Amino acid sequence: NAGVTQTPKFQVLKTGQSMTLQCAQDMNHNSMYWYRQDPGMGLRLIYYSASEGTTDKGEVPNGYNVSRLNKREFSLRLESAAPSQTSVYFCASSGLQGISGNTIYFGEGSWLTVV
Amino acid sequence: QKEVEQDPGPLSVPEGAIVSLNCTYSNSAFQYFMWYRQYSRKGPELLMYTYSSGNKEDGRFTAQVDKSSKYISLFIRDSQPSDSATYLCAMTRGGAQKLVFGQGTRLTINP
Repeated sequence: NAGVTQTPKFQVLKTGQSMTLQCAQDMNHNSMYWYRQDPGMGLRLIYYSASEGTTDKGEVPNGYNVSRLNKREFSLRLESAAPSQTSVYFCASSGLQGISGNTIYFGEGSWLTVV
Repeated sequence: QKEVEQDPGPLSVPEGAIVSLNCTYSNSAFQYFMWYRQYSRKGPELLMYTYSSGNKEDGRFTAQVDKSSKYISLFIRDSQPSDSATYLCAMTRGGAQKLVFGQGTRLTINP
């Protein structure tokens, strides 16, 4: 049981390049999330998908787009990378809409550097 | 002002000590409170989960919520070097509401 799998684990981009972070979960969860983690800032929500076919903005959505491809997969795209997007990105999933009484599971993280 | 405040540390204590980690929050609507543990270069994992006020104990770990003071704590008894990690508090109003995280406290337990 892999849980939440995200790729790539490490990536270096040049300013202006685009890339997509892939995420898949095998727990049949409805809700999926993308967070970024920066020193001193904790985890900040970029986008989330409460169920297949829906996506909503989180706290820091600017510069990102997402696609909920199916129930298992939720991708995050940087259309034109900027140095401010250098961060660690975590994908997560949970079984119910939101967290009420349910655990949210995180992937291992993707380290992205924009130069 | 951030919704959730957590001292980032770092906090360094000797093995066997009792560790106290804390968060304060400003939103009185928060009802679900969590502590996550994150080892270096890994994703956060859920450690403790509490609904509303009160205490919850799980082995060496105790989570405490004081909603009147908007203050939550995590206590670690008989701390071990394997407890060295970053601890993040998180909370939500519940339902379809999203988690709000603290900044995380980096903890080191010295043998």
